[in-house]
Amino acid sequence: DARVTQTPRHKVTEMGQEVTMRCQPILGHNTVFWYRQTMMQGLELLAYFRNRAPLDDSGMPKDRFSAEMPDATLATLKIQPSEPRDSAVYFCASGLSETGLETQYFGPGTRLLVL
Amino acid sequence: SQQGEEDPQALSIQEGENATMNCSYKTSINNLQWYRQNSGRGLVHLILIRSNEREKHSGRLRVTLDTSKKSSSLLITASRAADTASYFCASRDKIIQGAQKLVFGQGTRLTINP
Repeated sequence: DARVTQTPRHKVTEMGQEVTMRCQPILGHNTVFWYRQTMMQGLELLAYFRNRAPLDDSGMPKDRFSAEMPDATLATLKIQPSEPRDSAVYFCASGLSETGLETQYFGPGTRLLVL
Repeated sequence: SQQGEEDPQALSIQEGENATMNCSYKTSINNLQWYRQNSGRGLVHLILIRSNEREKHSGRLRVTLDTSKKSSSLLITASRAADTASYFCASRDKIIQGAQKLVFGQGTRLTINP
């Protein structure tokens, strides 16, 4: 049963610390998406990749956030320095873009609390 | 910007009743998708309807699409307690180099009372 995995599942940190979230997409998928979910803003797209190349990170605060795919099995989202307003659930999703009708498969999320 | 808007924001019904949720979107679409999110979990894809389809069924789910009104509805028939979740519609904002960017609405929180 293939699924997207994310680590850590929970993270509590202090303001100013670096936070790294990791995602392993489903094997064979060629698109990866990072989302942030809060009660106020709902689900926001931060960045996405196709074949490991970043396509659109316009939803991401550039000064403190960075997203990379070092290889096809790992995507990372980093926040440095973290701020209390970054507290949210961060989801990774992967998909296979072939027909333009792709669906996205979500991981369980990383629940981040910045104190 | 949020493209999909679900209505109602919250819905509470008795088990066995039907639940209907609506979604409106702003731009032209290639397809529209519905996802479910159980509390504390990631989203799970339920059903995709293409822009040239008007209705689609999957088990107890029925989705309709009206492109002239830029709206879609999700009907869950004979609801069960396990259907309690948030439901999101997602429309494609744009495609960049073959990867489609989905825009999700705020969701409808559905509660099924036993």
